[in-house]
Amino acid sequence: DIQMTQSPSVLSASVGDRVTLNCKASQNINKYLNWYQQKLGEAPKLLIYNTNNLQTGIPSRFSGSGSGTDYTLTISSLQPEDVATYFCFQHNSWPGTFGSGTKLEIK
Amino acid sequence: QVQLQQSGAELAKPGSSVKISCKASGYTFTSYYISWIKQTTGQGLEYIGYINTGSGGTNYNEKFKGKATLTVDKSSSTAFMQLSSLTPDDSAVYYCARSAMDAWGQGASVTVSS
Repeated sequence: DIQMTQSPSVLSASVGDRVTLNCKASQNINKYLNWYQQKLGEAPKLLIYNTNNLQTGIPSRFSGSGSGTDYTLTISSLQPEDVATYFCFQHNSWPGTFGSGTKLEIK
Repeated sequence: QVQLQQSGAELAKPGSSVKISCKASGYTFTSYYISWIKQTTGQGLEYIGYINTGSGGTNYNEKFKGKATLTVDKSSSTAFMQLSSLTPDDSAVYYCARSAMDAWGQGASVTVSS
């Protein structure tokens, strides 16, 4: 199975900061990489699909990039409602695999 | 709007089975597979497998073969996952999701305890 490694595991930033979350795959996943946001007690919500496509209804401050094995999720201006855990998910190879998450906190 | 409504929390004894349901609405049920995902604090998110809601065909993550059985009832737009021979390691929140992984159920908590 492809291993997905997310960094950092915890990120603390201030409102208005630009934040970058990282996800590294153990092999090339051909941009088949989704990002999910999970708030406490809720189901994961799709933010970005296939590396850089913004899901309908998601604010434009969220963006994704990457290729090969290295991918990033960027929040251009952190908002209080962005406090959550963020997961990456590869669906290039069977079975799909998730990263262990980055917990995003407000300073 | 697309909704996936899962059944409620389950408390089960070791060695028993549970069956979780996932009722879809707001889209053509047979146009998307239904995937199932396990979430625990220790292991994180794990992809269990999916069912083709049109044909009933299934594909399982090797790790969950023999543990999970996926079925579907097209007449009620509902997918099911049965978990068998339960152990404490099966305690988790289980999610169903549309195949594009763009819509998820609210999760069903399963607790295995004697």
